[in-house]
Amino acid sequence: NAGVTQTPKFQVLKTGQSMTLQCAQDMNHNSMYWYRQDPGMGLRLIYYSASEGTTDKGEVPNGYNVSRLNKREFSLRLESAAPSQTSVYFCASSDGGAGSLNEQFFGPGTRLTVL
Amino acid sequence: LAKTTQPISMDSYEGQEVNITCSHNNIATNDYITWYQQFPSQGPRFIIQGYKTKVTNEVASLFIPADRKSSTLSLPRVSLSDTAVYYCLVGDMSYGDDKIIFGKGTRLHILP
Repeated sequence: NAGVTQTPKFQVLKTGQSMTLQCAQDMNHNSMYWYRQDPGMGLRLIYYSASEGTTDKGEVPNGYNVSRLNKREFSLRLESAAPSQTSVYFCASSDGGAGSLNEQFFGPGTRLTVL
Repeated sequence: LAKTTQPISMDSYEGQEVNITCSHNNIATNDYITWYQQFPSQGPRFIIQGYKTKVTNEVASLFIPADRKSSTLSLPRVSLSDTAVYYCLVGDMSYGDDKIIFGKGTRLHILP
């Protein structure tokens, strides 16, 4: 099992460009999450999905959109990137309802720089 | 979710036992306490979870006093590879719309 995979690992964008971060899990988990982590900070929840076809806002959703394509995949889109979105993005999944404290499994992260 | 307070950073030496305390004065009856570990350039990893008294696994122990207003993560005989950030989370195990919040965590630095 690969667990949670994320692509790309690194990305540099110019202000105003768009891109989609991809996440997939092979653990048949119901819930999936997108976090961002700024230098020296904890993780902040951007969006989550409790099940296929549903998504909800987290703590910092502005500037992002998400799609729960199927049970395995949860993508994060930046429509018009801004330097404030420079961060490391982590995708996670858990077996159980979103918001419960079932163990979350994290991907390796995507390092995004917006110039 | 109950607010948690942890030390920003701690230093210790190889072979020592390390105890990291988390305060959660507003913990609710149904809340569990969960700890995650994050190595540099990696996503967090679940370490341990408990409700009361003591929980032990192959990695750590979690001590929770009777009033549950704090908890202590204990790492026995640490090594350099235990250098990481440790996050304490407190929340409800039931399915709901509460959102999991990782604070800044405790940055543990193990010295040789």
